[in-house]
Amino acid sequence: DAKTTQPPSMDCAEGRAANLPCNHSTISGNEYVYWYRQIHSQGPQYIIHGLKNNETNEMASLIITEDRKSSTLILPHATLRDTAVYYCIVRPSGGGADGLTFGKGTHLIIQP
Amino acid sequence: EAEVAQSPRYKITEKSQAVAFWCDPISGHATLYWYRQILGQGPELLVQFQDESVVDDSQLPKDRFSAERLKGVDSTLKIQPAELGDSAMYLCASSLKLNTEAFFGQGTRLTVV
Repeated sequence: DAKTTQPPSMDCAEGRAANLPCNHSTISGNEYVYWYRQIHSQGPQYIIHGLKNNETNEMASLIITEDRKSSTLILPHATLRDTAVYYCIVRPSGGGADGLTFGKGTHLIIQP
Repeated sequence: EAEVAQSPRYKITEKSQAVAFWCDPISGHATLYWYRQILGQGPELLVQFQDESVVDDSQLPKDRFSAERLKGVDSTLKIQPAELGDSAMYLCASSLKLNTEAFFGQGTRLTVV
């Protein structure tokens, strides 16, 4: 069972910020929020992850609400190459089995 | 930039035949995963290795699938016999250690005819 809920698809204009929401209302205290994306016919690409603090790297920013029940991935200046399926994943920490459980993700389409 | 290498990229096989996929993780990565992705769905974990040991193979159909990582480096996933429903993308991923970000290869696209 995927522990996250994401909209199936979103559009965003090129050059604008893309904000992808994710609900994870049953997240546990030791579970991280991970984001991956998958461009057509390629393997998933790691974007960012966080526990409770907001995180930023060269690709994106991750905003996690204070109650940790939802998060938003922000691509600050979307380009056509950002068109992909984006997966929000809740992943436990501290145990041995830590495989990722992918849902259906959000298909983000960047419009020119 | 280091990458997870997989081969072959594409494979067509007849049902009831045996097929094998190979994965070479990023150098130094102790944890290795095999996933299967059916068209239109997200990847599903098949098996996870920590070094040469299996950590999780609960979703591996063991009657026909097998996986090994004998020296704790590269890994092979085998299907015997292949069935039509095995047509999918088979993805390998690796991470430096447990509970760190995993990096995926480009996958092997299997078509069973």
